[in-house]
Amino acid sequence: DIQMTQSPSSLSASVGDRVTITCRASQGISYYLAWYQQKPGKVPQLLIYGASTLQSGVPSRFSGSGSGTDFTLTISSLQPEDVATYYCQKSSSAPWTFGQGTKVEIK
Amino acid sequence: QVQLVQSGAEVKKPGASVKVSCKASGYTVTGYYMHWVRQAPGQGLEWMGWINPKSGGTDYAQKFQGRVTMTGDTSISTAYMELSRLNSDDTAVYYCAREYSGGGVDHWGQGTLVTVSS
Repeated sequence: DIQMTQSPSSLSASVGDRVTITCRASQGISYYLAWYQQKPGKVPQLLIYGASTLQSGVPSRFSGSGSGTDFTLTISSLQPEDVATYYCQKSSSAPWTFGQGTKVEIK
Repeated sequence: QVQLVQSGAEVKKPGASVKVSCKASGYTVTGYYMHWVRQAPGQGLEWMGWINPKSGGTDYAQKFQGRVTMTGDTSISTAYMELSRLNSDDTAVYYCAREYSGGGVDHWGQGTLVTVSS
């Protein structure tokens, strides 16, 4: 099975900072990658699909890039409401493996 | 609007089985695969498998093969996930989630807490 590895596992940044989270697949998955945000005590929310397409309603400060094995989620200007854990997930053939998550906090 | 409403919390003894339901509304259930994902306390998301409600076809994560059964009843727009031979490691919140045509899953149930304890 293809493994999904996120880095870092956690980060602390100041409001307004640019934040980057990476996700690496152990084999190429083309652009079949989704990103989710899970706020404490809440259900995950789809942020980005197809590696770079923003889901409807998601603020434009979020963006995704990459294809093949290396992907990036960027928050261009971190806001207090962005405190959450972020997960990548391969969305091609089964299993639809998740990354282990990246916890984002405010410094 | 799309809604996925799951059954309530369960407490089970080791070795027992649990069946979680997920009632869909606001869309045509036969048009979208349904996935099941679980999250142990303080841990990350773990994909369990999916069901094609139209055909009944399924695909399960290898870890759950032989222990999980995903079914659906399109007449009542409800999907089910049954997990057998429970142990304490199965204590988790179980989510159903609708597959999005563009990739990923775009709507989630509220989650069902399953606690396995003697």
